[in-house]
Amino acid sequence: GQQVMQIPQYQHVQEGEDFTTYCNSSTTLSNIQWYKQRPGGHPVFLIQLVKSGEVKKQKRLTFQFGEAKKNSSLHITATQTTDVGTYFCAALYNFNKFYFGSGTKLNVKP
Amino acid sequence: SQTIHQWPATLVQPVGSPLSLECTVEGTSNPNLYWYRQAAGRGLQLLFYSVGIGQISSEVPQNLSASRPQDRQFILSSKKLLLSDSGFYLCACSRDTDTQYFGPGTRLTVL
Repeated sequence: GQQVMQIPQYQHVQEGEDFTTYCNSSTTLSNIQWYKQRPGGHPVFLIQLVKSGEVKKQKRLTFQFGEAKKNSSLHITATQTTDVGTYFCAALYNFNKFYFGSGTKLNVKP
Repeated sequence: SQTIHQWPATLVQPVGSPLSLECTVEGTSNPNLYWYRQAAGRGLQLLFYSVGIGQISSEVPQNLSASRPQDRQFILSSKKLLLSDSGFYLCACSRDTDTQYFGPGTRLTVL
């Protein structure tokens, strides 16, 4: 089946440090979405990227979609303890099916 | 905006018992509906999705089944639960290729 590879699996940072998670696909994606899941909670939509090379920002979060639409990244500048959680990318391949990456669990030490 | 209801929130069931999890959606019509399973500390595995009443696509062959008896109702069932069925079950809805909205989930423990 379709696969989206996401790395790293875990990331421990000191508060104030930056954080990046990456998603890669072997095939071209229609679009890619990013979600955040707080411990014990359910995934919550962050953003959707559609265009090749697209870059979107939400405060300290920067999302990028690769030129070939096969990879994406989420970068958090100056992490805070409120950023703790697991970040997932979700790729749309066809017919409304989304495949989620395995997630990157972020822990921020105060 | 869409609101997704799931129940029960938690469930403990013995091996071999049946299962029925219900998901209902408010605030939209004719949504795409999804069932995901998340094992502890893992990613989301797509189990079933539906683009309309009575239309179910299965992603992973297993002892689970899904049904959509009404436009905004999605049910996940099993006749006999296995230990490996334990996990966090999430229902989600979307309109076409748009955002997926997730319900609060059901934590299932099979003993």
